[in-house]
Amino acid sequence: QVTLKESGPVLVKPTETLTLTCTVSGFSLSNARMGVSWIRQPPGKALEWLAHIFSNDEKSYSTSLKSRLTISKDTSKSQVVLTMTNMDPVDTATYYCARIPSRVQDWFDPWGQGTLVTVSS
Amino acid sequence: SYVLTQPPSVSVAPGKTARITCGGNNIGSKSVHWYQQKPGQAPVLVIYYDSDRPSGIPERFSGSNSGNTATLTISRVEAGDEADYYCQVWDSSSDHAVFGGGTQLTVL
Repeated sequence: QVTLKESGPVLVKPTETLTLTCTVSGFSLSNARMGVSWIRQPPGKALEWLAHIFSNDEKSYSTSLKSRLTISKDTSKSQVVLTMTNMDPVDTATYYCARIPSRVQDWFDPWGQGTLVTVSS
Repeated sequence: SYVLTQPPSVSVAPGKTARITCGGNNIGSKSVHWYQQKPGQAPVLVIYYDSDRPSGIPERFSGSNSGNTATLTISRVEAGDEADYYCQVWDSSSDHAVFGGGTQLTVL
């Protein structure tokens, strides 16, 4: 059974750096062609894709957030880490990680349960 | 960047058919995927590759994609189908995933 679980701080202060960890099970991050994405959803708003990383270490970032985001993976720990610098209250959202089956199977399935991050002083 | 446009809301009576559209420039040339999100829950994939259903998704859910519009169709709508629905494509030119703005389905 494939599962993903997000972890990280519930509350961060403005200007701080957010570090989120996605721990996966049921598949290996070294599995050829598979990837993991981070997606966020502000309260009451739509889904927003943030970044992805594939097994071959290919990465891509949202154009509007590229300067603030870094995605990496630790295959031995089955973890994908997202850092976002200079956090602002508008970054308050539920952050999800999700598996991408492959480059040609470019959908997200399954998703983690999500973690709500609030940015406030 | 590629933009997907969905109606904010769709309402349907139980037992009837709901159609949720997703508009994009020549979207028919892309693969469209659909997600269902119920309140307080993570999104769930309900349609991939325009019209394929993952295991466990009822046959009442179907999809189509042509021209500038993709459509998610839910037949014989049930109260349990009430949720937000999002379409998604991959913009290969930028290597970015793109989501539509979401449609809230209300079962009257």
